[in-house]
Formats: sequence, structure tokens, C-alpha cells
Amino acid sequence: AQSVAQPEDQVNVAEGNPLTVKCTYSVSGNPYLFWYVQYPNRGLQFLLKYITGDNLVKGSYGFEAEFNKSQTSFHLKKPSALVSDSALYFCAVRAYNTDKLIFGTGTRLQVFP
Amino acid sequence: NAGVTQTPKFRVLKTGQSMTLLCAQDMNHEYMYWYRQDPGMGLRLIHYSVGEGTTAKGEVPDGYNVSRLKKQNFLLGLESAAPSQTSVYFCASSNSGLYHTDTQYFGPGTRLTVL
Repeated sequence: AQSVAQPEDQVNVAEGNPLTVKCTYSVSGNPYLFWYVQYPNRGLQFLLKYITGDNLVKGSYGFEAEFNKSQTSFHLKKPSALVSDSALYFCAVRAYNTDKLIFGTGTRLQVFP
Repeated sequence: NAGVTQTPKFRVLKTGQSMTLLCAQDMNHEYMYWYRQDPGMGLRLIHYSVGEGTTAKGEVPDGYNVSRLKKQNFLLGLESAAPSQTSVYFCASSNSGLYHTDTQYFGPGTRLTVL
């Protein structure tokens, strides 16, 4: 069965510091991996996805994620955090040739000035 | 181009009442989805549709019904609301994509409280 784990409920980081939000997955076959962000009282917004090719994927707002097949991870990163990055971040996985996206439980990112 | 819209934005029901949530998309997407979001549980798929006239069950379908009579609309119905259905409901849509790689686009959500 497909599953996604986001081991940290909350990540705190100072503005200007690098940030990492962790995600590990379990899926049969090649995974399709996604990151979404949710600002307060809003729907989810797409950040980036990994389908195939280069393991480092660049997305919106300066975010990037690295696909690591051996560790079954897809951690979200940003070199320099902004206070406006504070939000709820969701990792999601879809197995090849399935219709459904499985979401992690979310990680709240808090960036302090 | 409004993307994905949801109606209503907020609703309070009494136990046993019924209601329908409407989702509309103007991107000509084939796939549409209904999720619920509960604290500490992420998003869970209720039902989805792979095209006009089709529906399928997701992770948590009990107590809900759906219909996709038109390609642009996906309705979620609660026949007899229960307090356990208090949640935030999100609709999403995507293109089919040959290998299901397409991004899902989300609506702004409907906050439902069942008393």
C-alpha cells in the first residue's frame, strides 16, 4: 500500500537560515512525488513535483526538493527562509498507473524574524 | 479563468440534515476529487471521478455520495449529517495524463460544522 510520512509536526527556523521539511514514502514501483503548501484559510497550492529525471527538482517561491530513491525520501528545501514561507506543507505520492494521490499529515513551518 | 471554485464557503448543519457541496472547474479537466482535511490527519480522499458520468470511492467514502453529471461540476452530498463529518472539504481537479503525473489544483475549501 502507498503511504507518506512527514515525521515532524512543526519545523521552526530563523529568517535567512536554510530550511528542510522531511518526507519519506512507500510505494510499489516508481513514485510520482509532490509538495503542496497551504496558507491559512486557503486551499492547497502546488509547489513542485518529481516524475523522472534529475533528482533535484526546483519549484515555486525558491523551493526545491531532492528525490533519494535509496532512502525513499523527498525532502523539501530552501536556502534562505522568509517569514512569508510560514505555512502548512504537505508531501504526496502517487504510484505509477494509479488514480489516487496519498497525502502526508502535513508539517507546519514557522519562520521567525 | 477562476480555476476551482467551491460553494458554499461555510455551513453549519444539525445532525441528520442533508446538504450538497458544489465544486466547479473551468480548466476542462477530466479528473475531479473530493477530500476532507482534519487536524493531524492530512487530506483523505472521499470520492473521485475520472470523467463525466463516472465516480469511484476513495479512502473514506461512507456517509457521502457524489455525482458528475457535467464535466465541469462535481457534487458531494451528505444524506444525513453526523458530527464526525465536521471538517474542511476540498475539491481538486487534474488532467488525466498518460501516466497520472498531472498536478491537482485545489479549491478554497468549505468549512462544515455538524452540531
